[in-house]
Amino acid sequence: GAGVSQTPSNKVTEKGKYVELRCDPISGHTALYWYRQSLGQGPEFLIYFQGTGAADDSGLPNDRFFAVRPEGSVSTLKIQRTERGDSAVYLCASSLQGVENIQYFGAGTRLSVL
Amino acid sequence: SQQGEEDPQALSIQEGENATMNCSYKTSINNLQWYRQNSGRGLVHLILIRSNEREKHSGRLRVTLDTSKKSSSLLITASRAADTASYFCATDDKYSNYQLIWGAGTKLIIKP
Repeated sequence: GAGVSQTPSNKVTEKGKYVELRCDPISGHTALYWYRQSLGQGPEFLIYFQGTGAADDSGLPNDRFFAVRPEGSVSTLKIQRTERGDSAVYLCASSLQGVENIQYFGAGTRLSVL
Repeated sequence: SQQGEEDPQALSIQEGENATMNCSYKTSINNLQWYRQNSGRGLVHLILIRSNEREKHSGRLRVTLDTSKKSSSLLITASRAADTASYFCATDDKYSNYQLIWGAGTKLIIKP
């Protein structure tokens, strides 16, 4: 597609459940980022992929969060045993590495944990 | 962690007026970017200014950068209702080629 696609756009789940959020980056973009954004705040870095590997996962808040990008394109952010504090908008961005890191964002997935 | 700090946090002006937002940061940078976020949408890149540039224009946007003060400003001239959005600055880290560090944003409201 022409832009970064994220699905679902909204996800409502119950505390303790498992969720998967999907990101389909711009074709040819080797760099992929996951961010979390709370209301009134800027994006909070979670994890960065260069190709298939997670080059920096230092932003993942705890071991309930995990992300994969098995073929260097689509990525999935997985959250186990969700907590109410995980409620936020999860943003995905991709970029052409080395081109001044201009990032292209998807519309985000709004996660609500009840 | 957030490096950039935008001010004001919120700005409300009449259509046609100019809007100025400021961003301060803490570390050495290679470049600074401004992004816009409409409500419920992702962020959209607006403009990038390199550390060796002092001013840059793009349409109705004017960005300045003062590396001695570690600050930048974004000016939107002749504002329109469609400019209503949140605006974020993002800086890279001089020693990292992939991290962007984001501020908390300025919420701009253009009153018709």
